[in-house]
Order: sequence, then C-alpha cells, then structure tokens
Amino acid sequence: AQSVTQLDSHVSVSEGTPVLLRCNYSSSYSPSLFWYVQHPNKGLQLLLKYTSAATLVKGINGFEAEFKKSETSFHLTKPSAHMSDAAEYFCVVSDPGNQAGTALIFGKGTTLSVSS
Amino acid sequence: EPEVTQTPSHQVTQMGQEVILRCVPISNHLYFYWYRQILGQKVEFLVSFYNNEISEKSEIFDDQFSVERPDGSNFTLKIRSTKLEDSAMYFCASRVGGASFYEQYFGPGTRLTVT
Repeated sequence: AQSVTQLDSHVSVSEGTPVLLRCNYSSSYSPSLFWYVQHPNKGLQLLLKYTSAATLVKGINGFEAEFKKSETSFHLTKPSAHMSDAAEYFCVVSDPGNQAGTALIFGKGTTLSVSS
Repeated sequence: EPEVTQTPSHQVTQMGQEVILRCVPISNHLYFYWYRQILGQKVEFLVSFYNNEISEKSEIFDDQFSVERPDGSNFTLKIRSTKLEDSAMYFCASRVGGASFYEQYFGPGTRLTVT
C-alpha cells in the first residue's frame, strides 16, 4: 500500500530565507509524486510533479523538489521565501498501476508560515 | 485558464437530511474524483468516475454516498442521510487522462456542516 509522510506539521521561516518541506513516501511501484499548495479558502493547486523523468523537478513560484529513490524522499525547497508562500502544502503520491482510478494519496500537510 | 467549479461553497444541513454537492469539471476532462478533508485531517480519496461508472472507491464511500454525471457537464456527490461525521470540506477534481502522470485539477471545495 502506498503512503506519504510529511515530517513537519508546521514550518516557520523568515522572508528571504530558504524553505525546506520534507516528504517521505512508500510505494511498491515507481510512483508519481506531486506537491500541491492550498492557500486559505482556495482550492488545491499543483506546484510540481515527478513522473519518472528528471529527478530534479522545477515547479511554479520558484519551488523545486528532488526525487531520491534511495531515500524514498521528495522534499520541496525554495531558495528564498516570500510572504505569499504562506499556505498549506501537501505531498501526494499516485499509484501508476490503476489507470482508470488513479486515486491520489495525500500526506497530512505542512503549514508554512513566513514572517517579515 | 479553465478551472473546476463547485457549488455551493458552504452547505449547512441537519443530520439525516440528503445533500447534493455539485461540481463542473474542466470540459475536455474524462476522469472525475471526489475527495474530502475533515477539519485538521488529511485529504482522503472517496471515489473516481470514468465512462459513466465508478472506477474506484474507498472504504469511506459506503451506501450513503452516490455519484452521478447527469448531463455531461455536472458531476454530483449525493449523501443520502447525513451524519455528524460527514462534516468536512469536499473537493471535486478532474483530469484529462487516466494515467498517474496527468495532473488532477481541484475545485475550491464545498464546506459541509452537519448539525
């Protein structure tokens, strides 16, 4: 069975400092992995995705993530935080074996706070 | 940019009542999903729908739940007799293809409050 563990429920950074949101996954297959962001009272927006191409994936708003199979990790990083990055971030895994359904499995989320 | 829309944004209902949550997926998408997020908990998969039938459902999706695509544009989730524990944010999602590398596009959610 697939699962996702987000190692931090809350991360606080200062504006202009690096962001690291940690995610470990468990999957029997070569997974597809995603990071979604949820701003208050908004829907879930895709930041980036890994689908067995390049292991370093670049997303929107300066975010990137590196797939490390040996560590079963997919950590999200950004070199310099902006106030607008404050939101809830979800690491998500998808089973490539079931094409018709392909449910997403979500982590519990990490709340990112950015202070000025 | 096309987006998934959901109505209503907030629904309050009494325990035992039926509710219908509505979603309009992106027009060329073929796969549709419902997820829910109980306050303070993770987002959970409920059901996926393709070619006018359920393709996968979770343990949460019991006989109280049903989905329908009544008119080729709307995608609905019905809860037949709501319980207090059904209070949650419900998200609809759609994707153009079924393979896992296709992104699922999410709507803004419907907050359901059962009193």
